[in-house]
Amino acid sequence: NAGVTQTPKFRVLKTGQSMTLLCAQDMNHEYMYWYRQDPGMGLRLIHYSVGEGTTAKGEVPDGYNVSRLKKQNFLLGLESAAPSQTSVYFCASSYSGGPLADTQYFGPGTRLTVL
Amino acid sequence: AQSVTQLDSHVSVSEGTPVLLRCNYSSSYSPSLFWYVQHPNKGLQLLLKYTSAATLVKGINGFEAEFKKSETSFHLTKPSAHMSDAAEYFCVVSGPRDDKIIFGKGTRLHILP
Repeated sequence: NAGVTQTPKFRVLKTGQSMTLLCAQDMNHEYMYWYRQDPGMGLRLIHYSVGEGTTAKGEVPDGYNVSRLKKQNFLLGLESAAPSQTSVYFCASSYSGGPLADTQYFGPGTRLTVL
Repeated sequence: AQSVTQLDSHVSVSEGTPVLLRCNYSSSYSPSLFWYVQHPNKGLQLLLKYTSAATLVKGINGFEAEFKKSETSFHLTKPSAHMSDAAEYFCVVSGPRDDKIIFGKGTRLHILP
């Protein structure tokens, strides 16, 4: 099992450019999450999905869009990148969430720099 | 509203001495509580979780945490630190809604030889 994988590992964008981050999991998990990690801030939830075809906003969704067309994949898009989106992005998946929150399995992260 | 506070941003201990990383939480419901560890330039890995069973939770690598409802705390301990424990540790409170996942700001653990 590969677990949770993220593509790419590093990316540098110019302000206004767009990109998509891909997350894939092979554990048949229903729940998938996108977080951003900034120094001294912990991780903050951007968007999440509770199953194929569903998405929902987290704590910091502005400037990002997501899609979950296949159960194993969760895409994070930046339509017009801004320097404030410079961060490390983590994808995670879990079997369950909410009141039955289960272990989240994290990918290795994507380091994004917006110039 | 839910919140989680990790009381120390940095903790330094000598190898072989006990580790204590402190976490207080606030929740209107009985939350699920987790500790995750992040080694440099890596993703996060679960150390242990509390989900309303035993209040003393044992995790991997000799770590354990005790859920104290009266003190709203979930402190992480280890009897004897090892150099490989040097990492950042995150306390997480989760539930009851799907979007209620709150990470603490992290505690960086330094192990002195």
